[in-house]
Amino acid sequence: EVRLLESGGGLVQPGGSLRLSCAASGFTFSNYAMTWVRQAPGRGLEWVSGITNNGDTTSYSDSVKGRFTVSRDNSKYTLFLQMNSLRADDTAVYYCAKDRGVAATRPGDSWGQGTLVAVSS
Amino acid sequence: KFMLTQPHSVSESPGKTVTISCTRSSGRIATNYVHWCQQRPGSAPTTVIYEDDQRPSAVPDRFSGSIDRSSNSASLTISGLKTEDEADYYCYSFDSSINGVVFGGGTRLTVL
Repeated sequence: EVRLLESGGGLVQPGGSLRLSCAASGFTFSNYAMTWVRQAPGRGLEWVSGITNNGDTTSYSDSVKGRFTVSRDNSKYTLFLQMNSLRADDTAVYYCAKDRGVAATRPGDSWGQGTLVAVSS
Repeated sequence: KFMLTQPHSVSESPGKTVTISCTRSSGRIATNYVHWCQQRPGSAPTTVIYEDDQRPSAVPDRFSGSIDRSSNSASLTISGLKTEDEADYYCYSFDSSINGVVFGGGTRLTVL
């Protein structure tokens, strides 16, 4: 059974940093791209970032480009999202999602349960 | 970058059939696969349709997806509605111009 478990969320002040993790199990992690999606309170889903199966190619939404960095450790079956210069509008539940292939173009094969990031002073 | 437009809300009675549309603003709907996910209140999303019309094995066959090239839209149809189908439904698709995913705004389905 595929499992994705996010962690690392919490309360942080504006301008601060957080590192989210997504621990994967139940599939060969290195064979699949991964994606981060977030949902602000009371709002819809928003794509944040994607990374190919081998980590060679990454992509970001304009709202996080230059502040967030996605990475992965295939040996540890873990996906990361380093979030710097956090702003109030980054407040959201962050979900990781498994892709159906290697290229981060078909996310949603499986979803994690999410981790809440709250940016506030 | 294209947009995906969904109705804000739909409602229907138990046992009936409802269709949720997802219209692509520019470029052809068939260019990239359209996927649909369901999000019940307080829960994470789960995929109900992928690659336009494919249904995960755990999803009942009451759920179906299609694309319509003439209206440049995708549709999610749920037949035999149950109260457990009450949820938000999102369509989404890859956009090569941004190398990322575009989500529709979501549709709240009420089964009453």
